[in-house]
This record gives sequence, structure tokens and C-alpha cells, in this order.
Amino acid sequence: GENVEQHPSTLSVQEGDSAVIKCTYSDSASNYFPWYKQELGKRPQLIIDIRSNVGEKKDQRIAVTLNKTAKHFSLHITETQPEDSAVYFCARSRYGGSQGNLIFGKGTKLSVKP
Amino acid sequence: GAVVSQHPSRVICKSGTSVKIECRSLDFQATTMFWYRQFPKKSLMLMATSNEGSKATYEQGVEKDKFLINHASLTLSTLTVTSAHPEDSSFYICSAATSATNEKLFFGSGTQLSVL
Repeated sequence: GENVEQHPSTLSVQEGDSAVIKCTYSDSASNYFPWYKQELGKRPQLIIDIRSNVGEKKDQRIAVTLNKTAKHFSLHITETQPEDSAVYFCARSRYGGSQGNLIFGKGTKLSVKP
Repeated sequence: GAVVSQHPSRVICKSGTSVKIECRSLDFQATTMFWYRQFPKKSLMLMATSNEGSKATYEQGVEKDKFLINHASLTLSTLTVTSAHPEDSSFYICSAATSATNEKLFFGSGTQLSVL
């Protein structure tokens, strides 16, 4: 199908713990997988992305892993902080080289408790 | 990163009126712009893809006569909600991408439309 399945829909962690959000897809043509963070009433902000020729990418406390064979990719946030609280959306490119044409997951509301 | 500006941020209108929302790419030329609709606590639903100088491509179930999209230049796309009704109340958000941004999608700040 065209959808991206994202789990969990809500996630609550203690400050300092790690958080993991997973997305699965079925279209093997997808080759670009970004993650967006959206705070309440604000625009989604790109936080990290990965292309299908790479298995893992890390940026400070945030990392993304991609298993192209199994068609799933995950966001990992380590040492969570209260300001990480937001809704996180995964996405996949609709076609190979689709220049911004993305299909989004349904989002995960992350709450980091101090 | 690339900057996408969207106006207005909030609009309240009477049922039956039309509302125009503007989306501008400020520091790059956006060959492609996208319009999304987002309901509270829900995901981003793609409404249409807008390419400069050509007709927009609408997603299944989106009324093209109700949601008019114009992409007259490489830096401006507009969405007009015609004859708005209360069920059109939603958060509308545009985004832009180009080869210069290497496929990365950048979002405008969104427009909260409330139809009375």
C-alpha cells in the first residue's frame, strides 16, 4: 500500500531515557526517508533524514536506522530532554527521486517527563 | 535551511466566502510546492502538488474546484478555499522542495482557517 505505518502513536519516557519510533512501508521504490518534529501549532521541522543507500545516520542525540530489505526505519533519540516533547512524523518518498513528494506516517506524540 | 513563508497565519471567515493563502519560498526557487491539510492531532494529508507554470495535481478525494491552487512563479503558490464552509476549518500548510534543497521538504508556518 501507499501508507507508512508508524508506531507507537504515543510514547512517554523519563528525562534521560531513550525513545524509539518505528515506521514500516511497502513500496520498494521509496529511497528517501525523513523525520519531522512538530511542536504544537508550529510547522514540521526536518530533524534527520536517510537515503536508501545508507543503513544508519546519526546527528548528536538523534539517529535513524534503515532496513531496506525489511522495509522499516526507526528514529532513536538518546538522553531525552523535556524539549524533545513534540509530535514526530516519519515519511517516505513517494517515488524514487520524487523531489519532496512524501507520504507521512500518522505521527507519534512523545512526552518527556522531567 | 531554506525558508518558506506562509500567510496569513490565522483567518476567520464567514461561511460562503473565499479565502486565499499564500506560500512563498524566500531564499530559493521552488519548482514544486505541496499543500497539506492537518486536523488536530492528526497527520499531514497531502491535498495537491503544485508545479510552477502548470496545473496542480490533486490527490484523490480533493475537490479541485473548491481548493484552487495557482503556482504563478518559482517563489509563490496560492491556495484559495472557495465558498468556505465550517467543515473546511482546518490547519493548512504548504511546503516546497527543489533540486537545490536535494529533495528536502521545507514547510511554511501554516494557516489556521476557521469558518463560522
